[in-house]
Amino acid sequence: ETGVTQTPRHLVMGMTNKKSLKCEQHLGHNAMYWYKQSAKKPLELMFVYSLEERVENNSVPSRFSPECPNSSHLFLHLHTLQPEDSALYLCASSQGTRGVSTGELFFGEGSRLTVL
Amino acid sequence: AQSVAQPEDQVNVAEGNPLTVKCTYSVSGNPYLFWYVQYPNRGLQFLLKYITGDNLVKGSYGFEAEFNKSQTSFHLKKPSALVSDSALYFCAVRDPSMGGATNKLIFGTGTLLAVQP
Repeated sequence: ETGVTQTPRHLVMGMTNKKSLKCEQHLGHNAMYWYKQSAKKPLELMFVYSLEERVENNSVPSRFSPECPNSSHLFLHLHTLQPEDSALYLCASSQGTRGVSTGELFFGEGSRLTVL
Repeated sequence: AQSVAQPEDQVNVAEGNPLTVKCTYSVSGNPYLFWYVQYPNRGLQFLLKYITGDNLVKGSYGFEAEFNKSQTSFHLKKPSALVSDSALYFCAVRDPSMGGATNKLIFGTGTLLAVQP
């Protein structure tokens, strides 16, 4: 059992739908991440939040919209997605420290998204 | 640019034999290196990391990794493989361009380890 919980675990949506993925971490961490995992490709970092402030946005299309209302929760809002957006979306958290943070990431079990 | 390479898509090994999963990296400055494992339909789990110090790092489930600066490698090893070790293994390097309280990791494409009984 991990300290990072993702819901839903599976989601099927049409291209015109609006849905959201939710992530909650129970570890007291201060940084949260969204990664996309597609078959045969490296994990792609999408967004990074530190202390609820977005610090990284890796040229992700605007049809993906992140939200971090507090240090324990992270959302990924989805709208007008494309079939190529079908993937496993992984949330992670880590504890930052002063200077260079080298703490490991703790991952949730992922949300498997299928876009029809 | 920082990068990680896992040259093998799959590694096959018999139970009880030693295993090695290869990883090479390219990074400016001091490398901070990680190994993660992913079981089917699960998220990634941390195995071990190298930050500084002893080149041989010991981690979870009997795994260890050896940092070799001259060869820019960080291979994952285990003396005796178990069937339950069968999973997808990812090597990762910290992106030094990101400072502060976050740890941006760049992952390899993963290596599928298959341990036969």
